[in-house]
Order: sequence, then structure tokens, then C-alpha cells
Amino acid sequence: GAVVSQHPSWVICKSGTSVKIECRSLDFQATTMFWYRQFPKQSLMLMATSNEGSKATYEQGVEKDKFLINHASLTLSTLTVTSAHPEDSSFYICSAGGDRVTETQYFGPGTRLLVL
Amino acid sequence: QKEVEQNSGPLSVPEGAIASLNCTYSDRGSQSFFWYRQYSGKSPELIMSIYSNGDKEDGRFTAQLNKASQYVSLLIRDSQPSDSATYLCAVRGSGAGSYQLTFGKGTKLSVIP
Repeated sequence: GAVVSQHPSWVICKSGTSVKIECRSLDFQATTMFWYRQFPKQSLMLMATSNEGSKATYEQGVEKDKFLINHASLTLSTLTVTSAHPEDSSFYICSAGGDRVTETQYFGPGTRLLVL
Repeated sequence: QKEVEQNSGPLSVPEGAIASLNCTYSDRGSQSFFWYRQYSGKSPELIMSIYSNGDKEDGRFTAQLNKASQYVSLLIRDSQPSDSATYLCAVRGSGAGSYQLTFGKGTKLSVIP
């Protein structure tokens, strides 16, 4: 099956620093990747849709200058949380769409961010 | 506004019983439907996908789709404690060229030994 990896799996940082999270599709090419955020006991919230070679599309209420997304290749998308604050602490999950026929999204294992 | 509705639960079933999870969606043009399982603290994993009306079986899991009623369900036979998780229903809407899914809020399933 399709495998999506994320790195790092855990990150603890001080308030005001920037954190970069990588999402890779390991055995398929993903023209579209998605970034989600999930707070404890809440559902997935789509933050943005990332298309290879073009600007990301952000959902309403998500600050594009704070959450920088780059999708430089068909296997890599990155999310940078700039000037992180404690309220940005959350579980960040990426997914990749790789199958044009079934249009299935495959999720990465997630990155848990704690901002002190 | 595309919506996907699920009963949040928790749904408790005894071990060995059938668990029935339901989902309704608002976009009548939706074509693709997915069930994901999410264990606490983990990311979602795909269990089933279904695209045509009727039933689709995979091991202990059966997905059922009724587009006329805008309803999709997941049955888990011979439920095991390891099935205890939150089950997310996801729907891909009408329109080509996008993988974007609309997720329900999930139903928490608890299988009691």
C-alpha cells in the first residue's frame, strides 16, 4: 500500500521559534498533499491543500503567513510553523493523494508539536 | 456547505457482536466514500473505500452505500477489543481534479471484552 512518512514525529520548541515538518510519499508520487491539525478529542481540521509546483490553498481562518507550505516535488511537502506560540501546540497530520483512479488519501503518522 | 454527519458515540458493543457505524452526507453529487480508523494519539488509517451503491466486504468489515438516501455505513463483524477506536467517515465531493475530502467528526467505538 501507499506509505506516507512525516518527520519529526515529536517536536518541543520554545515560543517564538519556527518549526518545519516534512511530509513524504515514499512509494508513489503525490501531486496533492493535505495538511490537517487535530486538537485533543476533536476532529481533523483541514488547514491547507498543497499542490506540487504551485501555491497552497488555505482554508478559511488559517493564516498563510504563519503556516508556510512548500510542495517542491512530487514526493515532498513541508509545513513551517513560524513564530510558534503555545496555542499552536497540536497534532499535525499530512496526507497525500496518489491514486488518480480511487482518489484515496493516505495519511502520515503525524507530528506532535508542543510549544513551551 | 458540504457536511458529513456521524453519531459521535460512544458506541459500546460486546466482544463478538456486530458494530454498526452510520454516516450521512449533504453533497448529492459525491462519488467516493471512505472509512478511516483512528486510534487515540495516532493518525487515521484507511479501512474501506466504496464508490457504488450496495455492499462491499473486506474481511470483518462491510461498507454499505445508498446514494439515493445519501447514507453510508460500516459494519464490523465479530468485534474485537482491538477495534476500539474512532471511526471517521470521509466523502469526496463532486467535481474532478481534487482529492479533498470532507470528514465527519467521527464515532468512538468501544468493544467490551
